[in-house]
Amino acid sequence: GQNIDQPTEMTATEGAIVQINCTYQTSGFNGLFWYQQHAGEAPTFLSYNVLDGLEEKGRFSSFLSRSKGYSYLLLKELQMKDSASYLCAVKGAAGNKLTFGGGTRVLVKP
Amino acid sequence: DTAVSQTPKYLVTQMGNDKSIKCEQNLGHDTMYWYKQDSKKFLKIMFSYNNKELIINETVPNRFSPKSPDKAHLNLHINSLELGDSAVYFCASSPGTALSYGYTFGSGTRLTVV
Repeated sequence: GQNIDQPTEMTATEGAIVQINCTYQTSGFNGLFWYQQHAGEAPTFLSYNVLDGLEEKGRFSSFLSRSKGYSYLLLKELQMKDSASYLCAVKGAAGNKLTFGGGTRVLVKP
Repeated sequence: DTAVSQTPKYLVTQMGNDKSIKCEQNLGHDTMYWYKQDSKKFLKIMFSYNNKELIINETVPNRFSPKSPDKAHLNLHINSLELGDSAVYFCASSPGTALSYGYTFGSGTRLTVV
């Protein structure tokens, strides 16, 4: 089966950095995705990691360690608009299916 | 232009009714999906079609039946609605079944069964 864990909620201050951790146990691994979902809206793609290491894209970076079954999403220079849920999702061995964690709700305060 | 569009956006209906949700994508993608997001915000896959062929069918009650008339459309029909069916249903698409492809999601249909 698949098990994906991430914290339920995090709070941070505008301008700061927040790191959202995700651990996974899956039957097979074919990549890890991060999505952002604002309340009442669709999830939108942020990043994809399939090899170990750090992928940087502007203020957002994503890290993967396959041996540890671990990833994190790093949000730098936080802005109020970054308040949203961040979903970790894994593609396991079963073809194209994306399995999602429960999401981490990030609240950015002034 | 909306890439993945779902209708209706909101649906309130009584227990026992039959309802349909429609999804269309104009991205030229080959693969489409239905996901259910419950009150705890977990997104769970229900079905996936690739070029009109069913490729993923999770443990979903038989009351749920997807239909893909062509690769740009994937509709979801639900019979005999129950209270527990209340959730947000998301349609999504991807270019194909290659493992590196992420999904593009529609804006969701919030279904409330009363």
